[in-house]
Amino acid sequence: QLQLQESGPGLVKPSETLSLTCTVSGGSINSSTYYWGWIRQPPGKGLEWIGTIYYSGTTYYNPSLKSRVTISVDTSKNQFSLRLSSVTAADTAVYYCARHYYDILTGYSAAGFDIWGQGTMVIVSS
Amino acid sequence: QSALAQPASVSGSPGQSITISCTGTSSDVGSYNLVSWYQQHPGKAPKFMIYEVSKRPSGVSNRFSGSKSGNTASLTISGLQAEDEADYYCCSYAGTYTRYVFGTGTKVTVL
Repeated sequence: QLQLQESGPGLVKPSETLSLTCTVSGGSINSSTYYWGWIRQPPGKGLEWIGTIYYSGTTYYNPSLKSRVTISVDTSKNQFSLRLSSVTAADTAVYYCARHYYDILTGYSAAGFDIWGQGTMVIVSS
Repeated sequence: QSALAQPASVSGSPGQSITISCTGTSSDVGSYNLVSWYQQHPGKAPKFMIYEVSKRPSGVSNRFSGSKSGNTASLTISGLQAEDEADYYCCSYAGTYTRYVFGTGTKVTVL
């Protein structure tokens, strides 16, 4: 079945750029059906949507992070990636990649996040 | 865009029913039937439990049900079991600018 796996550095220095990759296995990212997202969770806190990408490269970002976020897709590698610039300690979190659920009955692609990666902890510290 | 408001904690005894509320605004929960719910055990990724307010994905127990009234969505867990002890988050689509907003999260304790 479809699986997602995050990868990238676990430690990033303040003011630098956080870079993570999500590898999709057991299915193709190059599908017109699904969107792919990034969500994060600071230690002991709630979930925050970061952004979403479509296989074509169309992106949607959380307005509060938009100036610092770039999400890209590499269909040849079945991966999509997150870059978050000018990080501070407030960006310390577990970062998850996830697939948006597509409801075939209604055609909604905004119905939630049905498959998640295991998450990767990123600490921002000098 | 503020997070959707959820009670910090809800508890119940085995076999009982509990309900978790998720209060948003007319810009998110009130405008779209696109509320989803997630269960998260400690150290684990969230699990997709409910979508489009009240629909259950394949494999999710029918003890979990969702509803919505106005700007407030709710998740009800009936026949509470020990394994239901976890954190629960709601999420709503919030339009083409904000897109998605999550709830503050609720810790469910089985007494």
